[in-house]
Amino acid sequence: KQEVTQIPAALSVPEGENLVLNCSFTDSAIYNLQWFRQDPGKGLTSLLLIQSSQREQTSGRLNASLDKSSGRSTLYIAASQPGDSATYLCAVPEGNTNAGKSTFGDGTTLTVKP
Amino acid sequence: NAGVTQTPKFQVLKTGQSMTLQCAQDMNHNSMYWYRQDPGMGLRLIYYSASEGTTDKGEVPNGYNVSRLNKREFSLRLESAAPSQTSVYFCASSYLYSGAGYYEQYFGPGTRLTVT
Repeated sequence: KQEVTQIPAALSVPEGENLVLNCSFTDSAIYNLQWFRQDPGKGLTSLLLIQSSQREQTSGRLNASLDKSSGRSTLYIAASQPGDSATYLCAVPEGNTNAGKSTFGDGTTLTVKP
Repeated sequence: NAGVTQTPKFQVLKTGQSMTLQCAQDMNHNSMYWYRQDPGMGLRLIYYSASEGTTDKGEVPNGYNVSRLNKREFSLRLESAAPSQTSVYFCASSYLYSGAGYYEQYFGPGTRLTVT
């Protein structure tokens, strides 16, 4: 059974810092990994999807990397801003099945201080 | 595209009452899911549907039923609500990139349910 862990559970940084969020998974036979952002009281918004054949995926100030063999993904946020404050979750779907159920990490809650 | 929509946004029930949470997606996705999110427990899968006409139990199905009415709609029913079902409920759908074998998931805005 896939298990997904995100460390740390919470992170507080001053504005402008570059930071890395971590996601670990136990079963390396994955097809893809998805990073989400959740603002308080809101739903999950997809940030980046990285396929198993990719090493990196970028969107603006965000960069996600994937190392299947070590069971790790990182989300790098450059030049953090107070608007980046949110909870970030990673999810690993069961690929190539008829349902695509996902296992989620518990998330890292990021606070960026002005 | 509206994406994944859920109704209602908020609901308060008394213990023993019943209600149905509605979910619809306009992205022609085959797979749909219901999750609950509780503080300290993360996202937990209640039920899922791989395609129209099929449903399966997830991690925490007790006390819930679902209906996949058609490809667009997937509803969650609480027959006799209990305080333990106070939670935020999310509906999601996903698209299978069949050539590559991977899924991309999209979420609705959630329903905040309180059972007193």
